[in-house]
Amino acid sequence: GAVVSQHPSWVICKSGTSVKIECRSLDFQATTMFWYRQFPKQSLMLMATSNEGSKATYEQGVEKDKFLINHASLTLSTLTVTSAHPEDSSFYICSARGTGGDGYTFGSGTRLTVV
Amino acid sequence: AQTVTQSQPEMSVQEAETVTLSCTYDTSESDYYLFWYKQPPSRQMILVIRQEAYKQQNATENRFSVNFQKAAKSFSLKISDSQLGDAAMYFCAYRRGNTGTASKLTFGTGTRLQVTL
Repeated sequence: GAVVSQHPSWVICKSGTSVKIECRSLDFQATTMFWYRQFPKQSLMLMATSNEGSKATYEQGVEKDKFLINHASLTLSTLTVTSAHPEDSSFYICSARGTGGDGYTFGSGTRLTVV
Repeated sequence: AQTVTQSQPEMSVQEAETVTLSCTYDTSESDYYLFWYKQPPSRQMILVIRQEAYKQQNATENRFSVNFQKAAKSFSLKISDSQLGDAAMYFCAYRRGNTGTASKLTFGTGTRLQVTL
């Protein structure tokens, strides 16, 4: 079946630095990528939607200059958390949709801790 | 805006028994899809079952079935013959009909299911 590889699975970074999270679709072309944030024991909150080759569409309240999304190819999307602060610590999950089916394939998530 | 409500933060079921998780949603759309996702401790999201709104027949997948009540905007998940591996967070999700970027999922707040011996 369709697989999305998300890396890193966990990362610790210092406050003020930037962190990049990658999601790669391994056996299909991801035309649309969704990026979610999940706080402990809470639901997934959509941050942004990106279509290959286009600028991402951010949800209300999400700072696009802080959470940079790049979807330059049909197999790779990245989320960069710039100038990270402790309040950015969270679990980030990507989800991809391809041209062929109607389903969503989720990455395994990235736990970000900012110290 | 569409909202998805799961009123049961936690549920518990004994192994081999049946449990039903509740979900209600609010929408003015007529074309949409509903999903149940499972998130085990690994936090990998796993699709359990999906339902197209235009289908009157309730979806089933082995031990998992739904009770889709379109007029009541209700979409409950029934797990039969519960197994220890069913223990997880379960999220109900909604998606509008296939219309480009409107295809994003809206998740409920989740129900944590415990399975006891």
